[in-house]
Amino acid sequence: QVQLQESGPGLVKPSQTLSLTCTVSGDSISSDTYYWNWIRQPAGKGLEWIGRIHSSGSTNYNPSLKSRVTISGDTSKNQFSLNLRSVTAADTAVYYCARGLRLLEWDYWGQGTLVTVSS
Amino acid sequence: QSVLTQPPSASGTPGQRVTISCSGGSSNIGSNYVHWYQQLPGKAPKLLIFRNNQRPSGLPDRFSGSKSGTAASLAISGLRSADEGDYYCVVWDDSLFGPVFGGGTKLTVL
Repeated sequence: QVQLQESGPGLVKPSQTLSLTCTVSGDSISSDTYYWNWIRQPAGKGLEWIGRIHSSGSTNYNPSLKSRVTISGDTSKNQFSLNLRSVTAADTAVYYCARGLRLLEWDYWGQGTLVTVSS
Repeated sequence: QSVLTQPPSASGTPGQRVTISCSGGSSNIGSNYVHWYQQLPGKAPKLLIFRNNQRPSGLPDRFSGSKSGTAASLAISGLRSADEGDYYCVVWDDSLFGPVFGGGTKLTVL
C-alpha cells in the first residue's frame, strides 16, 4: 500500500522560506515510473499544482511559482521536499504531496498539511 | 478567476444521474487530456477520471467522463450520499505552459 506523509512547520513568517518534506512508503522515489508532486489548496479554494520531481532528478514547476520553488529528493530516506521562498499570506494553504504516473494524473496523495504564513 | 469554468454547484437525489461541466479553450481542453478529481469533505483529492474518460482500476462505472471540442463533462449515475463533495477538472494549458484547474463544483445529494 503506497502511503505519503507530509511534515514540516505549520507556521512560517512572511518573507521566510516554507520547507516541507514528504515521506513515501510502499514505493520508491528512485523508481523511474513515477513523478513526485506538490500541490496546494488555500482554505475554501481550488487546487494549484506547484511542481514535481522524477527519480532522474529532473524537475518541472508551475510557471507562476517557478522563481520561488525548489523541489528535491533524498533517495536514502525515500523522501522528497519542497522549498518555497519569500512567502506571503497568499501562500497560506494546505500542502499535499502526491504520486503521479503522468502529468496531472495523481493517484496517491498525502493527507495534507496546513501551513499558515503569519508574523 | 479560473481558466476552466465549472458550475459552482450541482445537486441531485439518490439514484439520479448528474453531470458536471468543464469549459475551456483551444489551448487547454481543445488540445489536451482532461482529468477529474473528487474531494470529499476534509479529505485529499482522489483521481476519478484521467485522459478524458479513463477510470482508475477499482473505480465503479457509475463515474464517466467525456470531452468534445473545448468542453468536458463528468457524469455520475446512481447518485449516493457518499458522493457529496467537490469535483475539479484539470488540464494542461499550452499557452500558459502549466496546468489549469476548474474552480470546482460542489455536489449536494438532496
